[in-house]
Amino acid sequence: GNSVTQMEGPVTLSEEAFLTINCTYTATGYPSLFWYVQYPGEGLQLLLKATKADDKGSNKGFEATYRKETTSFHLEKGSVQVSDSAVYFCALNALGYSSASKIIFGSGTRLSIRP
Amino acid sequence: EAGVAQSPRYKIIEKRQSVAFWCNPISGHATLYWYQQILGQGPKLLIQFQNNGVVDDSQLPKDRFSAERLKGVDSTLKIQPAKLEDSAVYLCASSPLDSDEQFFGPGTRLTVL
Repeated sequence: GNSVTQMEGPVTLSEEAFLTINCTYTATGYPSLFWYVQYPGEGLQLLLKATKADDKGSNKGFEATYRKETTSFHLEKGSVQVSDSAVYFCALNALGYSSASKIIFGSGTRLSIRP
Repeated sequence: EAGVAQSPRYKIIEKRQSVAFWCNPISGHATLYWYQQILGQGPKLLIQFQNNGVVDDSQLPKDRFSAERLKGVDSTLKIQPAKLEDSAVYLCASSPLDSDEQFFGPGTRLTVL
């Protein structure tokens, strides 16, 4: 079946450090891949996405590249800020745009940035 | 553009009581989702509507959970009777037709005592 595995948290970094949050997936076909972010007290927001192999999604300084050969979609940022403290969810949509498509989420990684 | 609205934001009930949550999706979004997010886990889909029809309710515990989307706009999710393990955040999301992006509301945090 379809599933997403992401590194467990919490992850604690100092401001301006380099960030990597690992994510691997299992899916039939060619899923779309997402990173969602949940800031304290707020709802889930789409951070970035990639829809096919070798695509790179990017937003707010975050990047992730769709790697089909390693079934991975690792999230990276070169220099984190305190405002990046949040919970990050890797997710996939295995059925594309069909009416039956649904998103499967990983368990989330809590990121805390120290000033 | 207004986002997905949910109410209430918080609810505390005792086990065996009933509770209902309300969601108003983004205007024009045909697809509406209810998720359950247990502390420390990712959201799990409970039910998906397209307009006022159910597309997927395979993970909805139908002995105690029910949901409806009358007129294909807003939706309610009900739990009757609640159990301790139903304590979670209930998220509503919506998306336009033929889109793989979902827009989430702030959620309702349910505590069952």
